[in-house]
Amino acid sequence: DAKTTQPNSMESNEEEPVHLPCNHSTISGTDYIHWYRQLPSQGPEYVIHGLTSNVNNRMASLAIAEDRKSSTLILHRATLRDAAVYYCILRDVPGSQGNLIFGKGTKLSVKP
Amino acid sequence: EPEVTQTPSHQVTQMGQEVILRCVPISNHLYFYWYRQILGQKVEFLVSFYNNEISEKSEIFDDQFSVERPDGSNFTLKIRSTKLEDSAMYFCASEKYRDPRTDTQYFGPGTRLTVL
Repeated sequence: DAKTTQPNSMESNEEEPVHLPCNHSTISGTDYIHWYRQLPSQGPEYVIHGLTSNVNNRMASLAIAEDRKSSTLILHRATLRDAAVYYCILRDVPGSQGNLIFGKGTKLSVKP
Repeated sequence: EPEVTQTPSHQVTQMGQEVILRCVPISNHLYFYWYRQILGQKVEFLVSFYNNEISEKSEIFDDQFSVERPDGSNFTLKIRSTKLEDSAMYFCASEKYRDPRTDTQYFGPGTRLTVL
């Protein structure tokens, strides 16, 4: 899987939008962009994923650059419960290695 | 919503002892994984398991480690002779088809292993 680069930490105020960036300049055409997060003292949990088009779900939105070399996870209104480490992970098509490769991620702090 | 469960939540053992960490994956999932996270460090892949055999393993997963799906519901990780450096949080995960187009991995809450 190709590498991703994320800022080590970010801060947000409660109820404000948060944009978490991820660079993946060596992404291949078949890599999907997955985001997971890890709340304190818990296992990682899936947030969202996409290939080329922007994606929305109940947790977040994913904006993918046209050249796919970067993406941004958007939390529309941060809550205290969103304080976590957010991981941007590339996953290739079926048949390749299935395990997730975690980087250090971005530690998001949310201030009340 | 279905979830992955792990037992025990915390295991304390003496160096050199064997430990077995247990996981119950989501029932209709086919792919199973173990990851570990040493305190303050990244989540690291250990091993993946499919169709009753190991499909991939990392360099960390040496001869001291083994995995088993003994009864069609449990998925276990055994460490034969624990070392101090095995102290970590161990996460089990499962996934239905391992298809990044549609699938995601579901993680358990983890077992904290402390080796004294």
